[in-house]
Amino acid sequence: SQQGEEDPQALSIQEGENATMNCSYKTSINNLQWYRQNSGRGLVHLILIRSNEREKHSGRLRVTLDTSKKSSSLLITASRAADTASYFCATAYSGGYNKLIFGAGTRLAVHP
Amino acid sequence: EAGVTQFPSHSVIEKGQTVTLRCDPISGHDNLYWYRRVMGKEIKFLLHFVKESKQDESGMPNNRFLAERTGGTYSTLKVQPAELEDSGVYFCASSRLADLQETQYFGPGTRLLVL
Repeated sequence: SQQGEEDPQALSIQEGENATMNCSYKTSINNLQWYRQNSGRGLVHLILIRSNEREKHSGRLRVTLDTSKKSSSLLITASRAADTASYFCATAYSGGYNKLIFGAGTRLAVHP
Repeated sequence: EAGVTQFPSHSVIEKGQTVTLRCDPISGHDNLYWYRRVMGKEIKFLLHFVKESKQDESGMPNNRFLAERTGGTYSTLKVQPAELEDSGVYFCASSRLADLQETQYFGPGTRLLVL
């Protein structure tokens, strides 16, 4: 079965620095979505990138998708302490009627 | 527009008891999904409703889990009898159409602890 995998598992940076998280998957997808989860809270949708798209921006977020390598990256620029959270990629794979397959997540800590 | 809501936010029960979780999707969303995250593991899909019909229940772990969505509005997920390994966070998500590119909006989750 398909499984998304993020790396690194944990990332610790200073405020103002950029944070890059990567995600890999195994099968053909319809889209890939990134979510954020603050400690003890629900999942907040950040961005969706379709399989025919290569890059997408939303505010300080930049997502890339390389379907030939079956990988995606999430870049957070000029990070803030409030960005501290766990970040998950989730893939909606072809034939899966939009059910999402999640990776284990990257725990990001941004220090003031 | 109100988001996806879930009730209760936390539940602590003893092994063998029954627990019912409720999810209210965003109004007008035909698709409703249940996921769960067991401690230390990934978030995993449980099942998917389109209106009141079960589209995909391939992720349901066993027959102790029963999901319903009568009338195509809110959904309940009942665990009976609960076992220790059922502990985790149960998420509900909804999306508007049966569009393969639809964003799924998640609720805050129900934290279930089975003792």
